[in-house]
Amino acid sequence: IAGITQAPTSQILAAGRRMTLRCTQDMRHNAMYWYRQDLGLGLRLIHYSNTAGTTGKGEVPDGYSVSRANTDDFPLTLASAVPSQTSVYFCASSATSGAYNEQFFGPGTRLTVL
Amino acid sequence: GQNIDQPTEMTATEGAIVQINCTYQTSGFNGLFWYQQHAGEAPTFLSYNVLDGLEEKGRFSSFLSRSKGYSYLLLKELQMKDSASYLCAVDGDYKLSFGAGTTVTVRA
Repeated sequence: IAGITQAPTSQILAAGRRMTLRCTQDMRHNAMYWYRQDLGLGLRLIHYSNTAGTTGKGEVPDGYSVSRANTDDFPLTLASAVPSQTSVYFCASSATSGAYNEQFFGPGTRLTVL
Repeated sequence: GQNIDQPTEMTATEGAIVQINCTYQTSGFNGLFWYQQHAGEAPTFLSYNVLDGLEEKGRFSSFLSRSKGYSYLLLKELQMKDSASYLCAVDGDYKLSFGAGTTVTVRA
């Protein structure tokens, strides 16, 4: 593994189903983030974690949950998917959560909820 | 709240120069980033400005004026591979807020 990986690459999901998007980084970065990217809206922060064991809500957290049990992994869970959650999801990480927090992005997961 | 504006689309000819403007109104400011994103791919880091002035990195330069809430990304000697979206992102509270992105199309 080099950098950040996400799984699955893409997924079609029935509304009401539960889904977990996986994200793993091998850079020993403290901070991790989940974004969704929708046409015309840019990247919007869903949840973040400044360090293992802590999480926080971003701009659009409703319908999503996260956990950060260790440094490397930051899964995003949709408890009961709805069509408005159709989007491309990017996981990112940065060495710190302070100033100059350059973020490195995973390849993304394209999720379609029908 | 955070408000970040950039043009939706720009078109330029190979070899030319293009300037992508970004204006922002944020509740705090710790720095401004520019990212490049090719279609279907992840964003990748281009530049970072925290002080006023111009930062040059090869064919790409980025400018910041904190008093005006303004930045631009300058792409020189455009190449076909520069066709991509360019994202302006402001670190207002140690988390990034992104503009919607500017899609640049380079024509031969």
